Amino acid sequence: DTGVSQNPRHKITKRGQNVTFRCDPISEHNRLYWYRQTLGQGPEFLTYFQNEAQLEKSRLLSDRFSAERPKGSFSTLEIQRTEQGDSAMYLCASSLFGTSLYNEQFFGPGTRLTVL
Amino acid sequence: AQRVTQPEKLLSVFKGAPVELKCNYSYSGSPELFWYVQYSRQRLQLLLRHISRESIKGFTADLNKGETSFHLKKPFAQEEDSAMYYCALNGRQGGSEKLVFGKGTKLTVNP
Repeated sequence: DTGVSQNPRHKITKRGQNVTFRCDPISEHNRLYWYRQTLGQGPEFLTYFQNEAQLEKSRLLSDRFSAERPKGSFSTLEIQRTEQGDSAMYLCASSLFGTSLYNEQFFGPGTRLTVL
Repeated sequence: AQRVTQPEKLLSVFKGAPVELKCNYSYSGSPELFWYVQYSRQRLQLLLRHISRESIKGFTADLNKGETSFHLKKPFAQEEDSAMYYCALNGRQGGSEKLVFGKGTKLTVNP
């Protein structure tokens, strides 16, 4: 296990197209988080899962965004009808919740989305 | 509202000089504070957290609840410390442990 992986690493799309990103967490990690990072900003929370249940969504996550974690392992983040404002780095993180006082979030390398 | 402020976007020091990266937070309860680091072309990784009160790579950070600060310090900076540093807060609201990040400070250590 080499850590959290994300695919693709880069995605260029035209405005109005749909895109889907995948995140593979560290094995056995039960929590999976999605963050978005735009230029000059720190990562911003989008949503998180505990196993297959999506427990919280940020107001940043418009109706065009949907995330799934169907079997409690990998997760997908889909953006429909992309807009130029969606251009950002999308980060995934995972953690093993419930085994210690604090559960470190391990981050993936991110998927950089450019919407033309 | 939970908020993390890092007032310096850029910080440049010479090798061997002391360095302090500032972080202030806004939170009504008892937060957990962290410093994350991102070296060039690498992923974001945890540097240290206030709960453990440890020193990592010579860096320390003390939580000051009175000043709502969590500044990161190192007495003698090294060139390999050059990186992007993010202060983050875990408000533990609703049990999510989602992190609230500051905008980051880019540290450059010159030879």
